[in-house]
Amino acid sequence: GAGVSQSPSNKVTEKGKDVELRCDPISGHTALYWYRQSLGQGLEFLIYFQGNSAPDKSGLPSDRFSAERTGGSVSTLTIQRTQQEDSAVYLCASSPYASGGEQFFGPGTRLTVL
Amino acid sequence: AQSVSQHNHHVILSEAASLELGCNYSYGGTVNLFWYVQYPGQHLQLLLKYFSGDPLVKGIKGFEAEFIKSKFSFNLRKPSVQWSDTAEYFCAVTPGGSYIPTFGRGTSLIVHP
Repeated sequence: GAGVSQSPSNKVTEKGKDVELRCDPISGHTALYWYRQSLGQGLEFLIYFQGNSAPDKSGLPSDRFSAERTGGSVSTLTIQRTQQEDSAVYLCASSPYASGGEQFFGPGTRLTVL
Repeated sequence: AQSVSQHNHHVILSEAASLELGCNYSYGGTVNLFWYVQYPGQHLQLLLKYFSGDPLVKGIKGFEAEFIKSKFSFNLRKPSVQWSDTAEYFCAVTPGGSYIPTFGRGTSLIVHP
């Protein structure tokens, strides 16, 4: 079946603009994660959804970051008033497990803030 | 806070050489352990995982990893690497009952033909 998809694959924006990143998880996967990967760094956890609820938003770096998930499926990560330090690859992963299990990753969205 | 350390950031090997990538974590309770791999131009995918049972875990493409609880380690091994193993390797640890893994910074492996 289809894997996790993300769009856009690349996004170049100007400092101060808002951006919206989209993730389509594998059908039936209840858990959805957003991560940020900067060059030479590991994956930085941003937010976790179980169904449409986000029990853990502790990784969001500032109040400029928000995310939602609708219908237990598609999720969007929104970054308002982008800054240059927001430049990174944003990864989405889904999992059929409620906790602790393996995750299935999308290809990522490369965000560049000029 | 929990941390995951991958001591080798860059590894360069020739084909047929043996590989061992280190992974240590700081959490003291039960853990679920993972190795993920990212081949050039591809997305992250699971290489192998450990939840419980036999501490020697076999994964895809001839990789294996050994969980040593007393050393808080989950090192990845392959007896004979191939050029196609060139990739970025990430260790991840999830505390038992939790849903958020902590990832290491990754190890870049380059295998020369």
